[in-house]
Amino acid sequence: AQKITQTQPGMFVQEKEAVTLDCTYDTSDPSYGLFWYKQPSSGEMIFLIYQGSYDQQNATEGRYSLNFQKARKSANLVISASQLGDSAMYFCAMREANSGYALNFGKGTSLLVTP
Amino acid sequence: EPEVTQTPSHQVTQMGQEVILRCVPISNHLYFYWYRQILGQKVEFLVSFYNNEISEKSEIFDDQFSVERPDGSNFTLKIRSTKLEDSAMYFCASSVGTGRNQPQHFGDGTRLSIL
Repeated sequence: AQKITQTQPGMFVQEKEAVTLDCTYDTSDPSYGLFWYKQPSSGEMIFLIYQGSYDQQNATEGRYSLNFQKARKSANLVISASQLGDSAMYFCAMREANSGYALNFGKGTSLLVTP
Repeated sequence: EPEVTQTPSHQVTQMGQEVILRCVPISNHLYFYWYRQILGQKVEFLVSFYNNEISEKSEIFDDQFSVERPDGSNFTLKIRSTKLEDSAMYFCASSVGTGRNQPQHFGDGTRLSIL
């Protein structure tokens, strides 16, 4: 079974608008971390934001924020005021405290920001 | 800002040849990882390394693969007798610790092409 599900293979957003990229996860471990990474067309993986399972507040990092709904097991990434440079693949990943060191990645969402 | 560096950025190798991918993790990080991403697919965990030994490996990381920290700064992935299906982007990552809230910072990747 997929640990991380990203249901949107591709998304479009107009410059300066906000966009939400969906991520749902599956775990029975009460302690876990959720991460979002950005992969531009050049290929590098850039860490964006982290949310812990015990965190009371949604994580924010500049224009990035997480809409964390623990009961629904979702951790959607919200990008506010989109910029052309935000066009990239976005990957949601999870690490479970009792399941070793590996990050489990979703299949990603391709975001295209249009002028 | 410190970063993970990987060399080469692109490696082309004949099938059956050995290849060594190199990484310099962030200097104060203690945990090192290799991931791979086959074109168009999600990122997959290969191996984690701590204190000069493998701490976890996936089923992908078979006898064909090995990792080494030959000196105080480099971390290498060796693939013996490469196969066509080894063609992928290989990412090195490092982290300060292994807590669920510790992000893994990725390098820019090495694109490996097996002919």
